[in-house]
Amino acid sequence: ETGVTQTPRHLVMGMTNKKSLKCEQHLGHNAMYWYKQSAKKPLELMFVYNFKEQTENNSVPSRFSPECPNSSHLFLHLHTLQPEDSALYLCASSQEGTGSWGYTFGSGTRLTVV
Amino acid sequence: TQLLEQSPQFLSIQEGENLTVYCNSSSVFSSLQWYRQEPGEGPVLLVTVVTGGEVKKLKRLTFQFGDARKDSSLHITAAQPGDTGLYLCAGLTLSGAGSYQLTFGKGTKLSVIP
Repeated sequence: ETGVTQTPRHLVMGMTNKKSLKCEQHLGHNAMYWYKQSAKKPLELMFVYNFKEQTENNSVPSRFSPECPNSSHLFLHLHTLQPEDSALYLCASSQEGTGSWGYTFGSGTRLTVV
Repeated sequence: TQLLEQSPQFLSIQEGENLTVYCNSSSVFSSLQWYRQEPGEGPVLLVTVVTGGEVKKLKRLTFQFGDARKDSSLHITAAQPGDTGLYLCAGLTLSGAGSYQLTFGKGTKLSVIP
């Protein structure tokens, strides 16, 4: 596989469930990101990982818990979510340090909280 | 917080017409990127502009970075139905934590009617 792969593509979960989103990149990049995309809002950066270390947490509620076991894999663990958390969750990777790199995004997980 | 304003928000044109979309901010960016996103997919990088005043061409798409590196425009010549999608601009800055962050605008939703 190439690029950035996200699973599952679609997820419906109840407010009391626990689920995890998975992201895998095959590009040799050393930075990975979680973004949230809601209707009528810009993409919101949630977490940044550089060389497996979390460097940014943009005031994300604790019901979202990221995990980066190595530079190729990124998880987003979800528990006790709210209906307003329904959105498209996008994972991206990049090669930091060059100053003009682009991000490669996965296709996203469409999450619906019921 | 850097804010990127994109205009127009929605644009519907006939095949063969020309169009320009704008991305404006009061902040200076290290670089500015344009992405296109199709329904159900993640954004795909089109171009990165780095130098103030820089112009880049990608077939029928022309991208320009403002002299002060605060704004950018995307011009499409002879639009085709395949150009339909959400066009996102994103500015790159160095965060207080020392990592680079990409801040997105809300996007311009373009529909090209055959």
